[in-house]
Amino acid sequence: GAVVSQHPSWVICKSGTSVKIECRSLDFQATTMFWYRQFPKQSLMLMATSNEGSKATYEQGVEKDKFLINHASLTLSTLTVTSAHPEDSSFYICSAGRTGMNTEAFFGQGTRLTVV
Amino acid sequence: KQEVTQIPAALSVPEGENLVLNCSFTDSAIYNLQWFRQDPGKGLTSLLLIQSSQREQTSGRLNASLDKSSGRSTLYIAASQPGDSATYLCAVRTGGYNKLIFGAGTRLAVHP
Repeated sequence: GAVVSQHPSWVICKSGTSVKIECRSLDFQATTMFWYRQFPKQSLMLMATSNEGSKATYEQGVEKDKFLINHASLTLSTLTVTSAHPEDSSFYICSAGRTGMNTEAFFGQGTRLTVV
Repeated sequence: KQEVTQIPAALSVPEGENLVLNCSFTDSAIYNLQWFRQDPGKGLTSLLLIQSSQREQTSGRLNASLDKSSGRSTLYIAASQPGDSATYLCAVRTGGYNKLIFGAGTRLAVHP
């Protein structure tokens, strides 16, 4: 299967600071990547769809000014949590898939964010 | 609005048992359905992908079926092992491009 790499795997930051998470597709090009958020013992909730070369599409209830997404190339998308607060502490996972509607989705390893 | 439900929420079984995990979805207009495994604190590992035109997929001890018209899928795990302990997530691809809607998962514990 395809490889999606996410970095860092965990990060601790102070309230008010910003944190950037990277998502890379290592062996294929992804025009679209997806960012999910997962709270403990809950399922994944889609936050936004990252489109290469254009603005991200955010799901209802997700603050676009707080969760900045940049998809500058066909292999890299970044999620920046701005002015982080303790309630932003969560597990963030990205996914990507090859071109086509019926393709398999592959996920990164996830990033555990803790805001203190 | 598509909703995905997984039953049971948790399952604890002795090693060697054959298991059935259930997934249901409310809107049958899906492109495909994918089963994942997630270990604690880790990302997702894709197990099986079933296209909307398919009825089942098999990989080793895993078999997944899809009944699109009734909005159901089952994941069958044969001869369970302690290493199978994890959370199993079902997700359907629907609506927009590659958009996945996830169920809450089934937490499986297989004890020796």
